[in-house]
Amino acid sequence: GIQVEQSPPDLILQEGANSTLRCNFSDSVNNLQWFHQNPWGQLINLFYIPSGTKQNGRLSATTVATERYSLLYISSSQTTDSGVYFCAASANFGNEKLTFGTGTRLTIIP
Amino acid sequence: GAGVSQSPSNKVTEKGKDVELRCDPISGHTALYWYRQSLGQGLEFLIYFQGNSAPDKSGLPSDRFSAERTGGSVSTLTIQRTQQEDSAVYLCASSQLRGGAYEQYFGPGTRLTVT
Repeated sequence: GIQVEQSPPDLILQEGANSTLRCNFSDSVNNLQWFHQNPWGQLINLFYIPSGTKQNGRLSATTVATERYSLLYISSSQTTDSGVYFCAASANFGNEKLTFGTGTRLTIIP
Repeated sequence: GAGVSQSPSNKVTEKGKDVELRCDPISGHTALYWYRQSLGQGLEFLIYFQGNSAPDKSGLPSDRFSAERTGGSVSTLTIQRTQQEDSAVYLCASSQLRGGAYEQYFGPGTRLTVT
């Protein structure tokens, strides 16, 4: 099955800094999603992005499908951005069971 | 609209007991997935339902685990004879095909503790 790797595993930044999180995947994908897991464990959808670029406020994401990676950008970080960010991907159309990376734990210091 | 809901939010059970976990998907979503999140294994797929098709059970870790989906909506995950290694957060997700995409939306999870 598809392999998903995320880097870095941990990231500590000052409030206001920008950050880039990376997700590498081993196969062509039909589904790629970025999630933020909040302190209560809820997975919050950030982006559905099997290819291309999307932006939502201070967050944006780019997936280069031909090179099998995706990047999540967070600009002007706030303390509420802290938490674990997961990338998940599927290579199957019609049964898009997701394979998750191990996550990046982001800590924003005031 | 309402999101995916799961119940109970927390469950503590004794080793050897059976447990049932419930998932209510987003109304109209035809696909339903179960995942679990544990410290040692991260987030892993368990089972997938799509309409009236046979479920994909390839992620179930043992025959103590089973799931059903009644009427194409609510799903129940059953764990028989629970073991301590079953302790985890069990997450349910649902999706529907929209614009060629099956974006999954997750519920808040059920935290299972086996003592």
